Amino acid sequence: RKEVEQDPGPFNVPEGATVAFNCTYSNSASQSFFWYRQDCRKEPKLLMSVYSSGNEDGRFTAQLNRASQYISLLIRDSKLSDSATYLCVAPRRGNEKLTFGTGTRLTIIP
Amino acid sequence: GAVVSQHPSRVICKSGTSVKIECRSLDFQATTMFWYRQFPKQSLMLMATSNEGSKATYEQGVEKDKFLINHASLTLSTLTVTSAHPEDSSFYICSARNPGINTGELFFGEGSRLTVL
Repeated sequence: RKEVEQDPGPFNVPEGATVAFNCTYSNSASQSFFWYRQDCRKEPKLLMSVYSSGNEDGRFTAQLNRASQYISLLIRDSKLSDSATYLCVAPRRGNEKLTFGTGTRLTIIP
Repeated sequence: GAVVSQHPSRVICKSGTSVKIECRSLDFQATTMFWYRQFPKQSLMLMATSNEGSKATYEQGVEKDKFLINHASLTLSTLTVTSAHPEDSSFYICSARNPGINTGELFFGEGSRLTVL
């Protein structure tokens, strides 16, 4: 299994819809995870941190399933501005470095 | 505002020349900074870990003599791409953690887009 694996998409979703992405990870000892958002030709920016079973921030909900070793990101009432690539990030085995998934590309359609 | 700043944001150079990219932590001291590279439509790949006051540690497959890293102060790390070739054209991004924030979050610089002609 890859350290971090994501469905690259693209996901083309109508505005207002709900969309969810999953990400699997291989390091069972990982405690914290992150979802970053990256716009085209820009640097990644933190969207959410995931430490326990999950957390919610407005329209965004991140969940962690340790038994199955995946995290998910749910976006409700999607906006045009949500169009971006979403990167799943997990700690690398044994150290402080982070491994990035290949990203899931999301396009919200008017 | 940005907590990690990178410069230059874009650079175009001729093949065979060297290019230096700077990464600064603005509001905190960073003993460790990370340098990533991202090719089009691919993910960020960690190149090396820059350590203040000591040698950088490089990821497997990254040539340390080609990608020189210097972390001379607690707020500045530099990456020099030596004898650049067109295949080195990429988006180079640095990042650091703020030791005052224990979330483990990485703060990224704005990135430097290198084009080697």
